Amino acid sequence: DIQMTQSPSSLSASVGDRVTITCRASQSISNYLNWYQQKSGKAPKLLIHTTSSLQSGVPSRFSGSGSGTDFTLTISSLQPEDLATYYCQQSYITPFTFGPGTKVDVK
Amino acid sequence: QVQLQESGPGLVKPSETLSLTCSVSGDSISPYYCNWIRQPPGKGLEWIGHIHYRGSTDYNPSLKSRVTMSVDTSKKQFSLNLSSVTAADTAVYYCARVSSAYYTPLDYWGQGTLVTVSS
Repeated sequence: DIQMTQSPSSLSASVGDRVTITCRASQSISNYLNWYQQKSGKAPKLLIHTTSSLQSGVPSRFSGSGSGTDFTLTISSLQPEDLATYYCQQSYITPFTFGPGTKVDVK
Repeated sequence: QVQLQESGPGLVKPSETLSLTCSVSGDSISPYYCNWIRQPPGKGLEWIGHIHYRGSTDYNPSLKSRVTMSVDTSKKQFSLNLSSVTAADTAVYYCARVSSAYYTPLDYWGQGTLVTVSS
């Protein structure tokens, strides 16, 4: 199985801050990396697919980059509604696997 | 608008079989795959497997011996059976759609259903 890691596991930032979350795969997954946002008590929501493609309706302050094994999710200007846990997921090969999540707190 | 809805018992006894259904509305179930993902309370996400609308399946090896998935195209429903459950199977179970077996993201998710394994 491809192992996914994320860092940091949690962070706290102020409104307007730039936030970066890193995801690493245990082997190359090309660009088949997706990001999901999960708010408390809700299902995950797709934010970014295939490394850098913004899902329809997702604010443009979210962006993704990377390739191979190293990927990042950036929130350019953190907003109060971004309070959530963020998961990366590889869709390159089954079993599909998720990172352990990064919990984002807004100060 | 595409909607997925999980349904099934919220409580299952140890050693019994967990059975859930995912109902699709707002779109055809073809040519999609239905994925099942679970999340133990306070923990991360685990992919259980997926089934194509034509019935082909791919299961997580960690659960493969206990998982069966099926589809009823006339009802636009996908089903998950997980046998011989233990407390470790207590989780919120989600169904989610992808458009191909590989490479594509989980674009639509159900709201999830909590299944507790307890006597």
